[in-house]
Amino acid sequence: AQSVTQPDIHITVSEGASLELRCNYSYGATPYLFWYVQSPGQGLQLLLKYFSGDTLVQGIKGFEAEFKRSQSSFNLRKPSVHWSDAAEYFCAVGAAPFGNEKLTFGTGTRLTIIP
Amino acid sequence: GAVVSQHPSWVICKSGTSVKIECRSLDFQATTMFWYRQFPKQSLMLMATSNEGSKATYEQGVEKDKFLINHASLTLSTLTVTSAHPEDSSFYICSARTDSTDTQYFGPGTRLTVL
Repeated sequence: AQSVTQPDIHITVSEGASLELRCNYSYGATPYLFWYVQSPGQGLQLLLKYFSGDTLVQGIKGFEAEFKRSQSSFNLRKPSVHWSDAAEYFCAVGAAPFGNEKLTFGTGTRLTIIP
Repeated sequence: GAVVSQHPSWVICKSGTSVKIECRSLDFQATTMFWYRQFPKQSLMLMATSNEGSKATYEQGVEKDKFLINHASLTLSTLTVTSAHPEDSSFYICSARTDSTDTQYFGPGTRLTVL
């Protein structure tokens, strides 16, 4: 069975500082990996996804993530955070991007930005 | 594009009553819709997958007679929580996708509180 671990429940970062959110997954085959962001009262928005190819993927809002198979990780990074980045971030793994394969989500990391 | 709405955004009901939650894809046709449940401080758990015009596929442990799902059209799926009890209080989130996309688009969620 697939699983996702986000070790950090809550992270506080100063505005303008760099950010890295950790995500480790467990899956027997090649995973399909996603990062979503959820702001209060809003739905989940896809930041980026990895299916194959270049292991460094670029997403929206200046985010990027790197797939490292040897470490079973898919960490999310941003070189300089903005106050508007404060939200809940979810990493997810799927068996396939199409069809009825379910996404398994991590427990989320809440990001707080301080001035 | 790819907007998913949910109605209502929050609902409070008495124990024993039934509550219906709607999930609509506003600008695309959703061949598949997913219903998730999210407890506080926990990750999203897939409850069921529904395809337009067919019966929903429920995840293990989800009572199909309690959580009735209908996907009658390509833009609307409903989740009815029957005979709701306080333990059903949760945040319910839907997502939708088409056959031509590898991305699930999420609704803003519905907060259900059963007294």
